[in-house]
Amino acid sequence: GAVVSQHPSWVICKSGTSVKIECRSLDFQATTMFWYRQFPKQSLMLMATSNEGSKATYEQGVEKDKFLINHASLTLSTLTVTSAHPEDSSFYICSARYSGPRSYNEQFFGPGTRLTVL
Amino acid sequence: DQQVKQNSPSLSVQEGRISILNCDYTNSMFDYFLWYKKYPAEGPTFLISISSIKDKNEDGRFTVFLNKSAKHLSLHIVPSQPGDSAVYFCAARRNSGNTPLVFGKGTRLSVIA
Repeated sequence: GAVVSQHPSWVICKSGTSVKIECRSLDFQATTMFWYRQFPKQSLMLMATSNEGSKATYEQGVEKDKFLINHASLTLSTLTVTSAHPEDSSFYICSARYSGPRSYNEQFFGPGTRLTVL
Repeated sequence: DQQVKQNSPSLSVQEGRISILNCDYTNSMFDYFLWYKKYPAEGPTFLISISSIKDKNEDGRFTVFLNKSAKHLSLHIVPSQPGDSAVYFCAARRNSGNTPLVFGKGTRLSVIA
């Protein structure tokens, strides 16, 4: 199956700093990547949809100036949490959509990044 | 507005018995449904899916049933094994365009040996 990696897998940072999370599709090209956030015992909440070469589309309530998304290539998208605060502490998961012939299982998830802001 | 609902936050089943996880949806435009399994601190892994043109899809121990009129789907696992213990997410989307998956809140399945 297709592999999506995320780096780092966990990060601890001080309040006010910025953190960049990378999402890579390792063996396929992804025209679209999605960023989700999961709070403890909650569902995966979609934050934004990122298309290669264009601006990301953010879900309602997600601050685009705080969560900067860049999708510069067909295999890499980055999420930067700017001026992080403790309430940004969460589990961030990216997902990449296969851009080849249509198949039903076409959205693959990364392993997630645990962000803790002190 | 929760478009995909999993009303049971947890379920305990004895090993060897059937596990039934339920999911309801409200958006009649959804035509493709998936189940994902998730362990703590890991990303979801795809389990099984079903298109709205079907009412059943089976893969080994896993079967998904879809009742479009009731906007309800269920995942059956039989026989249940301890390794099946995880959180199961139901997800849905429109199978056209570039629409993202919408997830339910998940059901934590515990299979007791």
